[in-house]
Amino acid sequence: SQQGEEDPQALSIQEGENATMNCSYKTSINNLQWYRQNSGRGLVHLILIRSNEREKHSGRLRVTLDTSKKSSSLLITASRAADTASYFCATDAPNQAGTALIFGKGTTLSVSS
Amino acid sequence: KAGVTQTPRYLIKTRGQQVTLSCSPISGHRSVSWYQQTPGQGLQFLFEYFSETQRNKGNFPGRFSGRQFSNSRSEMNVSTLELGDSALYLCASSRDRGPADTQYFGPGTRLTVL
Repeated sequence: SQQGEEDPQALSIQEGENATMNCSYKTSINNLQWYRQNSGRGLVHLILIRSNEREKHSGRLRVTLDTSKKSSSLLITASRAADTASYFCATDAPNQAGTALIFGKGTTLSVSS
Repeated sequence: KAGVTQTPRYLIKTRGQQVTLSCSPISGHRSVSWYQQTPGQGLQFLFEYFSETQRNKGNFPGRFSGRQFSNSRSEMNVSTLELGDSALYLCASSRDRGPADTQYFGPGTRLTVL
């Protein structure tokens, strides 16, 4: 079953614009991660935010986490055509040891030049 | 440092056959997880191995199994293939320093069942 749900499912923007994707989840978490996937290939880890953090930056990426609303957002600033990909949020499985991740269904981002 | 490698990259099988997929984690990583990705169900956790032991298992039938070797390399096996098993199978490895550890994914094996 899905823990995270991304919104919107698809997003089309022009180069230079900002892209914002949202993720909601259902149960308590230890951390939330964002991944990128290009054309059905492997997932690339973008950023991890812990449950006691509210905001984190990495280059053009900004992630926020609101545990009271069980939601997170990923902002990509000054988008480039190379940012075209699917973006997934993933949470650790609650009450489980190990490193199992539960993924949302993803947001497909298309950046046109 | 070499990334996670998966072999084969593409595979075509027929219903009823079995298949074995292989994953070599990043050197020094002890945890290996497997995921199935389909258009309908998205990314779903199959199982995780750590020190040759299955530590977690997702909600998949017993036809899906795996193992991990002493060098942390892992294999997953699917027996009696069904059309619905067609998917991208992704392997991920991590150092396993706790729940906040980053998982690094391989390029995946695309399995097509005819």
